[in-house]
Amino acid sequence: GDSVTQTEGLVTLTEGLPVMLNCTYQTIYSNPFLFWYVQHLNESPRLLLKSFTDNKRTEHQGFHATLHKSSSSFHLQKSSAQLSDSALYYCALSGNQGKLIFGQGTKLSIKP
Amino acid sequence: GGIITQTPKFLIGQEGQKLTLKCQQNFNHDTMYWYRQDSGKGLRLIYYSITENDLQKGDLSEGYDASREKKSSFSLTVTSAQKNEMAVFLCASSMAKQDTQYFGPGTRLLVL
Repeated sequence: GDSVTQTEGLVTLTEGLPVMLNCTYQTIYSNPFLFWYVQHLNESPRLLLKSFTDNKRTEHQGFHATLHKSSSSFHLQKSSAQLSDSALYYCALSGNQGKLIFGQGTKLSIKP
Repeated sequence: GGIITQTPKFLIGQEGQKLTLKCQQNFNHDTMYWYRQDSGKGLRLIYYSITENDLQKGDLSEGYDASREKKSSFSLTVTSAQKNEMAVFLCASSMAKQDTQYFGPGTRLLVL
């Protein structure tokens, strides 16, 4: 079945450094949708960005990701981390079944 | 715009008790979802519904029942609460499969 892997459970960075959160997926569906959701403390998850177009960069709120079907990846990046970026980040996959498959989540902690 | 409301916000139950959580959305979305969030385990799908009176099991459906009484509402029942259980139950909705999911504020469950 479909699956999403986020290899890092916790990423700790100093403010101002670049951010990269890894996401790889498995699906037999040839046109998957990939999503990044962000969940701040005591809040619900909300969409950060999404893509279904191969090799096209998608950007929102300073974050960007590119869907690479050749490597089944959708890594999340930001050039310079801010304290307010500290949150739980979920990568998710939508195949053809009408449901999202979430990764385990990566907690991003930004230190001053 | 729209909003998802979940009731109750907090739920304290006894072991073996049957507990019902409710979710309402005014987005006019077709698809609704129930997720369970445990610390360190990400978001796990319990049930989802692609239209009124439809029910689809997720990966964690055992021990739960669900009901999609009308398009705007989706209820979840914990059939027999487990002692010391503590989790957050999140309701979400989307217009269609592969669309962005919007999450409610959650119901926090504690079983004594």
